[in-house]
Amino acid sequence: DAKTTQPPSMDCAEGRAANLPCNHSTISGNEYVYWYRQIHSQGPQYIIHGLKNNETNEMASLIITEDRKSSTLILPHATLRDTAVYYCIVRVANQAGTALIFGKGTTLSVSS
Amino acid sequence: NAGVTQTPKFRVLKTGQSMTLLCAQDMNHEYMYWYRQDPGMGLRLIHYSVGEGTTAKGEVPDGYNVSRLKKQNFLLGLESAAPSQTSVYFCASRAITGVSPLHFGNGTRLTVT
Repeated sequence: DAKTTQPPSMDCAEGRAANLPCNHSTISGNEYVYWYRQIHSQGPQYIIHGLKNNETNEMASLIITEDRKSSTLILPHATLRDTAVYYCIVRVANQAGTALIFGKGTTLSVSS
Repeated sequence: NAGVTQTPKFRVLKTGQSMTLLCAQDMNHEYMYWYRQDPGMGLRLIHYSVGEGTTAKGEVPDGYNVSRLKKQNFLLGLESAAPSQTSVYFCASRAITGVSPLHFGNGTRLTVT
């Protein structure tokens, strides 16, 4: 699976959009981009995933560049409860048995 | 629907003691995983299973054993605990469908003295 690079930390004001970048320059054509987050002391929580097209759900939006070498997770109106570590992972979706390899992620701090 | 349940939530062991961590999922997922999380290290994969009766090694398997006798349960064993195994352990499961996401439990906090 391709490796990812994320900034170690970011700050965001409450109510503003939080844009979390991820670089995955060695991504293969059949690898998906997944985002998870981990709020302190809890298990990681799935947020969103995508292959080529931009995706949106009730939690966030995922923007993937045309060359797929990077992506951005957007939390449109960040709240204090969005303070967490955010993990960007890429993997082949149909590869039987492979697990997601989590790196160190980005610590997002949302303040009022 | 409880999702992924881990027991116990907390445990303190002395060096050399053994214990088993239990993970149970009620989503009929084929795949199950054990991770450990240490400060500044992210999540590291210990072992995983692609189905009942099968297991495989992850990044950091040494000192651990696993068993998947029933589809819904994935056990992580420490035969002789060491202080280096002090960590937070997370279990996860996912469906066999290629793009399905991982569902995590809330962790077991283990301290080995």
